[in-house]
Amino acid sequence: EPEVTQTPSHQVTQMGQEVILRCVPISNHLYFYWYRQILGQKVEFLVSFYNNEISEKSEIFDDQFSVERPDGSNFTLKIRSTKLEDSAMYFCASSPHQGADYEQYFGPGTRLTVT
Amino acid sequence: AQSVTQPDIHITVSEGASLELRCNYSYGATPYLFWYVQSPGQGLQLLLKYFSGDTLVQGIKGFEAEFKRSQSSFNLRKPSVHWSDAAEYFCAVGGAAGFKTIFGAGTRLFVKA
Repeated sequence: EPEVTQTPSHQVTQMGQEVILRCVPISNHLYFYWYRQILGQKVEFLVSFYNNEISEKSEIFDDQFSVERPDGSNFTLKIRSTKLEDSAMYFCASSPHQGADYEQYFGPGTRLTVT
Repeated sequence: AQSVTQPDIHITVSEGASLELRCNYSYGATPYLFWYVQSPGQGLQLLLKYFSGDTLVQGIKGFEAEFKRSQSSFNLRKPSVHWSDAAEYFCAVGGAAGFKTIFGAGTRLFVKA
């Protein structure tokens, strides 16, 4: 069964550094998402992406964040200058196309630790 | 405003006992409803989903959930809990293509022998 993959599984970085989290969505999917989960808290929506542009973003997704689909398979989340509070699990998701009855498929997550 | 409420932060049940996890939602349009399970340090596994039709939906691992529009609820049930069911359970709303998924705060399930 096709699945969303994410790399790396764990990323450790120093405060102020840039990080890029990578995701490979399911191949025929058209919508892509990033969510994050701070340890012990609920999963929060960051951004959705369709047709090479952001379709929706939350207030968490400020100027420090950006997303890109650099080629036909990858979907990336960049954090420009990491802060301690960016430490979280980041989940990528994808869904096939607009319309009812299609769910988002989540990847296994990347744990980001900012020191 | 769109939101999901899981009133129980944690629940402890004995192995073999029945389980019900509560979920209430607020959503302007027809809701798409989900239950996910997460083991410590792991990703999100979809247990079941409701889009339309029969309000009682069956999922994996013996779980089921019932959509009650009048109560804005989507409670998760299992008739007999196994020790391996101990995990965090998240109720979520939305999540159809193009729409964000809104998660509840989660209910941590403990199973005692």
